[in-house]
Amino acid sequence: ETGVTQSPTHLIKTRGQQVTLRCSSQSGHNTVSWYQQALGQGPQFIFQYYREEENGRGNFPPRFSGLQFPNYSSELNVNALELDDSALYLCASSLGGAGGFTEAFFGQGTRLTVV
Amino acid sequence: GNSVTQMEGPVTLSEEAFLTINCTYTATGYPSLFWYVQYPGEGLQLLLKATKADDKGSNKGFEATYRKETTSFHLEKGSVQVSDSAVYFCALSRGGADGLTFGKGTHLIIQP
Repeated sequence: ETGVTQSPTHLIKTRGQQVTLRCSSQSGHNTVSWYQQALGQGPQFIFQYYREEENGRGNFPPRFSGLQFPNYSSELNVNALELDDSALYLCASSLGGAGGFTEAFFGQGTRLTVV
Repeated sequence: GNSVTQMEGPVTLSEEAFLTINCTYTATGYPSLFWYVQYPGEGLQLLLKATKADDKGSNKGFEATYRKETTSFHLEKGSVQVSDSAVYFCALSRGGADGLTFGKGTHLIIQP
């Protein structure tokens, strides 16, 4: 059984650019959620995907978007990067339905730095 | 809305000391409660969970009891080790598509 894997582990982008982060969910898990963790803070929920559709979203602007693929892997896209987008981005997979999940398993995260 | 409040750190203890990290929550209904641990440079690992009132979650010597009357889920360990040094996050989920709501985290430092 493979765990949750994210790529890349680190990247640096310039303000105004676009970035795509990737996540492979744990085997058998059909739900993927993304979180932003600023330095010294707890993770903040960005959105959740179930069966290739977004079924939940936190307080993040539309320039944060995502995709889930038939194999349940996922992408997080951020457009028009701002300096405050610098953070650790965490992907979590779980087994659930449209109504939610029981527990989430996290990847190691992608450290994004915007300069 | 949902929220989680944790005691602020850092918390510094000597090896073999007793640990308590306080966590209280605000949520409608009956959320599930979790403790996650984050070691330096790593993602989050689920430490323990409880899904209903009076449940006790336990793992690796850590325990937490879901107290609905006090809306609390305090983390305890009887004898900490240096290897327990990490950041601990309390979190809740209402089981919908709202994801997990996390506290700000408590940095635990165990000195030999």
